[in-house]
Amino acid sequence: DSGVTQTPKHLITATGQRVTLRCSPRSGDLSVYWYQQSLDQGLQFLIQYYNGEERAKGNILERFSAQQFPDLHSELNLSSLELGDSALYFCASSVGDRGRSDTQYFGPGTRLTVL
Amino acid sequence: QKEVEQDPGPLSVPEGAIVSLNCTYSNSAFQYFMWYRQYSRKGPELLMYTYSSGNKEDGRFTAQVDKSSKYISLFIRDSQPSDSATYLCAMSLQGAQKLVFGQGTRLTINP
Repeated sequence: DSGVTQTPKHLITATGQRVTLRCSPRSGDLSVYWYQQSLDQGLQFLIQYYNGEERAKGNILERFSAQQFPDLHSELNLSSLELGDSALYFCASSVGDRGRSDTQYFGPGTRLTVL
Repeated sequence: QKEVEQDPGPLSVPEGAIVSLNCTYSNSAFQYFMWYRQYSRKGPELLMYTYSSGNKEDGRFTAQVDKSSKYISLFIRDSQPSDSATYLCAMSLQGAQKLVFGQGTRLTINP
């Protein structure tokens, strides 16, 4: 158990809908990362937050947004869903030390199915 | 061309064999190199973490980084059925938190 929790485990929804995925980082970690894992693209970095502020952005679509709250949990919002958004979404957390790449611990993931 | 290339396999070996997993990369600025193990329907878990070039050993696992060739390897000695999983290489730049992953190699250890 990495100490990172994600809810829900599974989500089934329809095209055009909006969903929210939730992540609670390990105790003491200030950084939260979101990744998308699909069969064709592999594990892709979406976005990072550090202590409530956006720190880095990857291949995140404009239809997707995220935020990190004062209690450090994070939410990833996916809107206008398309079939191609079906994937595993992972949250990871780390201490968030500036200037070096510190260890990221991954949660169990949320499996999103768009029908 | 992807920044990090990894043969997706699948790779199937008998129990007790030495397993060699590899990744190549194109960005010479990568400084941190990691190997993650991912069991089916689980999140990736960190196995090995290496900064710059060299070897690192942890039990039955050895990670090697050859920056001149832009090539990293993970060796598993005395492989066990419990090692059956997908192995993902990952790397990042100095001062950056974003991880760039390989496609993952699916490994099966047969009893």
